[in-house]
Amino acid sequence: SQTIHQWPATLVQPVGSPLSLECTVEGTSNPNLYWYRQAAGRGLQLLFYSVGIGQISSEVPQNLSASRPQDRQFILSSKKLLLSDSGFYLCAWTMTGSNSPLHFGNGTRLTVT
Amino acid sequence: GQNIDQPTEMTATEGAIVQINCTYQTSGFNGLFWYQQHAGEAPTFLSYNVLDGLEEKGRFSSFLSRSKGYSYLLLKELQMKDSASYLCAVRDPSYGQNFVFGPGTRLSVLP
Repeated sequence: SQTIHQWPATLVQPVGSPLSLECTVEGTSNPNLYWYRQAAGRGLQLLFYSVGIGQISSEVPQNLSASRPQDRQFILSSKKLLLSDSGFYLCAWTMTGSNSPLHFGNGTRLTVT
Repeated sequence: GQNIDQPTEMTATEGAIVQINCTYQTSGFNGLFWYQQHAGEAPTFLSYNVLDGLEEKGRFSSFLSRSKGYSYLLLKELQMKDSASYLCAVRDPSYGQNFVFGPGTRLSVLP
């Protein structure tokens, strides 16, 4: 069966510091991978998605970036965090070319102080 | 463009039935998905409709009318643990096969 791992679970970082969140998927090949952010009491905002290694599409221009160095690995990064980057970050995957649902990791709660 | 609407909050009593509505306007349609999200946790998949009609999964059922751009999630025999947010999402092929999420409906189940 497929599983998705996301870490860390919580993170407190000062403004201006770098960020690296990692997500890996097991039990499937060539998944579509996604990064979402959910601000407190708000809906899910799509940040990045990837349909293959090295292929990243950005939905929201901001100081975040994403990379997919391996088939089942997706990384969210920032060189300098802003206060507005605080939120709940969710990695998700779905099978390519099908109507399968999104499956989410457990999420990372980021607080920028 | 894409737009998905859901009621912000609903309240129901333990043991009752509740219906959570979702209306959508998207450029394309390739399935409608319902998720449950408990406070502080990630969303978990509940149900999926791609054709018109009712899909039943235990206490949860989901209905879709593509011509009306409308879906609902029906929760029967409500339990306290059903208190959560319920998210409606549409997979839109004109949006790179990405999922467009509604704002979510926060359901409170009272004893």
